Formats: sequence, structure tokens, C-alpha cells
Amino acid sequence: NAGVTQTPKFRVLKTGQSMTLLCAQDMNHEYMYWYRQDPGMGLRLIHYSVGEGTTAKGEVPDGYNVSRLKKQNFLLGLESAAPSQTSVYFCASRTRGLAGGQNEQFFGPGTRLTVL
Amino acid sequence: AQSVTQPDIHITVSEGASLELRCNYSYGATPYLFWYVQSPGQGLQLLLKYFSGDTLVQGIKGFEAEFKRSQSSFNLRKPSVHWSDAAEYFCAVGAPGTYKYIFGTGTRLKVLA
Repeated sequence: NAGVTQTPKFRVLKTGQSMTLLCAQDMNHEYMYWYRQDPGMGLRLIHYSVGEGTTAKGEVPDGYNVSRLKKQNFLLGLESAAPSQTSVYFCASRTRGLAGGQNEQFFGPGTRLTVL
Repeated sequence: AQSVTQPDIHITVSEGASLELRCNYSYGATPYLFWYVQSPGQGLQLLLKYFSGDTLVQGIKGFEAEFKRSQSSFNLRKPSVHWSDAAEYFCAVGAPGTYKYIFGTGTRLKVLA
């Protein structure tokens, strides 16, 4: 199993450009998450999904959109990139579990995005 | 509001010394508690977790953590640190009945040879 994979690993954008980050998991997990990691701020939740076709906003959703058309994929889109979106983006997934929050998340290796 | 505090931004220890990383949380009930490790350029890997039962939890790589309800703490410990333990460590809280997790800001561990 590959676990959680992210594409691309690195990207440099100019302000105003758009891009899509792809997250794929092969563990048949129901829940998927997108986080951004900034120095001194830990991980902050952007959007998450509890199943195919469903998405919800997290802590810092502005400027991002997501889609979960297939259970194994969770896409994060930046419609008009801004320098404030320079960050490392992590995708994670987890199984539903018997009780919400009990099961750990599995993380991808991250995408380092720079917006000039 | 729920929160997780890791009071130490950086910690430096000598190889072979003991280690304790602090984590305090704010939550109305007993949350689910996790410690993750992140090596440079890598994603997060689970070290251990607690959700019920024995308050002393054993994890991978020789780490353990103790849940103390009275102190709202979940500190991570290791008796003897190896140079390969140099990384950033994150404490996280999962609220029962929700899909969300809250992460601390991390503690970066440096190990001196």
C-alpha cells in the first residue's frame, strides 16, 4: 500500500495563478483532511470530508476550494493564489472508527507551495 | 474553546539523556490524545495515542506518554534519546463525536552528540 500520496511535492506560483493539489489514499478511508503548516502555528485545518461527495470548512478555508468526487481522492484548489498561501500543505485520512476522533490520521508527505 | 498548548518551542538534549515534552489541553471532557513526530521534509507519523484505559501509553521508537486528567496534560517521555529522534513533535486532540483534530504548535527537538 502506498498510504497517502500527494501531488505535486513542490510548486512555485505567481500571485493570481491557480492550481490544484491532489491527495490520494489507498486505505479505503472515509475521512480526508487538508491542513496547512506554517512556522510556529502547527497544523491548521483548511477543509475536510467525511465521505465521497461531501466537504466541509475547517479553521482556515478562505481562498481554497475542495472536491471529493471519488472516495480515494481529495483535491484542494487555489483559484487565485496569494503570497499568504505560501505554506506546506498536508493531506490526511482516517477510517470512520467506532467513535469519532478515536482513530489516528495518516498523513501524506506534504506539498511545499511558494506564491511569489 | 478547545486548545492544545506545547509550551516548549525548542528543546535540546544530549544523546542518551532523558526527554520529556509537555502538552496541555483544554477540553470539557476527556479527549482523544495523540503524539505525532515529523522528521524534516516528511509528513507526520503517529507515535502513540490515548483514548481510554491505562493512563500510561506505550508507543513506537521507545516513547511513552502519561495522561493526567487533573493536570489536563499528556506529556511525552523517552528514557534515553537517540540522535535519530531529532525532529518536530506535535501533540493533538481529537474531540469525541467529531471529525476534527486540534494540533499544538509543535516542539522541535535537537539532539547533541
